[in-house]
This record gives sequence, structure tokens and C-alpha cells, in this order.
Amino acid sequence: GAVVSQHPSWVICKSGTSVKIECRSLDFQATTMFWYRQFPKQSLMLMATSNEGSKATYEQGVEKDKFLINHASLTLSTLTVTSAHPEDSSFYICSARLAVYSYEQYFGPGTRLTVT
Amino acid sequence: AQTVTQSQPEMSVQEAETVTLSCTYDTSENNYYLFWYKQPPSRQMILVIRQEAYKQQNATENRFSVNFQKAAKSFSLKISDSQLGDTAMYFCAITNQAGTALIFGKGTTLSVSS
Repeated sequence: GAVVSQHPSWVICKSGTSVKIECRSLDFQATTMFWYRQFPKQSLMLMATSNEGSKATYEQGVEKDKFLINHASLTLSTLTVTSAHPEDSSFYICSARLAVYSYEQYFGPGTRLTVT
Repeated sequence: AQTVTQSQPEMSVQEAETVTLSCTYDTSENNYYLFWYKQPPSRQMILVIRQEAYKQQNATENRFSVNFQKAAKSFSLKISDSQLGDTAMYFCAITNQAGTALIFGKGTTLSVSS
């Protein structure tokens, strides 16, 4: 159980366009989801915390207008990279918390974004 | 703010041997949880082992065990009987009891050779 999926697994887009990445909890309801960014051979850096039905909380240095996060249901959170630039190319990973007071988090398989 | 330090960027070990990965952390929280995650070449994050800070007993999961030294804020991972499939990047992470997002160390790349 506790499976998290991401779609797409990889995407290539042109500079200036927007791309949406979906994160779904398949067999549980996730009140909180997290978005991380990972550069090659580096650690995961938290970008934002997404709570169902409310605005996301962004980490310092993350542009809210560039990385739009929506958590409209208990099983779906989306990350939209707006006006993408080559420096936005990265590996984006989401995770979902199993329950409100649970420390358990389950990770999606990640999405590789390449901006040309 | 919570921080996690992994001082070994890379390590290598022969099959069947034992290896220990180091991790130190800093937190002002009284209740927190510590984790080791494995990220193989597929890049899927896999939970290896977790430790509740209030538990003195070291966690064990099959070939994986931790040495949790709360006063020293140290949380090392021991892998016994290393297998080729253990080749991966290993991340140490911390969270608090509320389950807020994980803070990761920079990772240790482990290579297991035959």
C-alpha cells in the first residue's frame, strides 16, 4: 500500500512555456504533499508544502509565481512550472503524508524536466 | 533550523562485507524522527529504516541497523552482508513529530562490488 504516482515521468518543453506535473496518492488520502527538487548527484531540496484546500507554503528562495502548486483534492497535487527556462531543468519529486499526525511519507518516482 | 550532515560523499564495499554510513544532525525539537532513505539509479526514494528519537533502542531492519546516539546527535547506518543491490545513494533525513517535510543530508554514494 501507500503508493504515490507522478505524471509525466519525463517531459521536455521549450523555453517560455508552462508544464504541469501531477502527484497522486493512489491508495490513501493525503492531506499534505511535499514537492522537492533534485539536481544530479545532489540532495533533495524542499520547495513547498501543499495542504489540501489551502495555499501552499513555499520555502525561502522558491518563486511562488514560477512554481504554482495546487492541492485541490485529497489525492492530487499539481506543480506547474510557468515560463520555464533552462535553469528550471531538474528532477522534481513529490511525497505524500499518510495521515495528519503521521510522520510517514511516501515518495513518487519523480519527474525529469528538461527545458530547451 | 534543522540540519543534517553526511560527511562521506562516496564509499565502496565488497559484497558480503559490512559498511557504516555516518550522519550527524542538529535540531531544537524534543520530538523528532530520523530516517535513512535509499535512492538507487531508478531515483525512486525507498525508506530503509526509521528511528523515533524518544526510543533508546536502535532500530533494525534485516541487514540494516542504526547506531543512534541522541546526546551526540549522531545517527549512523550499518549495512551488513552488503549486496550488489545495495548500490545507491543513501540520504539521512530528519523530521519533527508533526510530520513536516523531511530535511535531507547531502547523501552518500555507496558502491558495492563483487
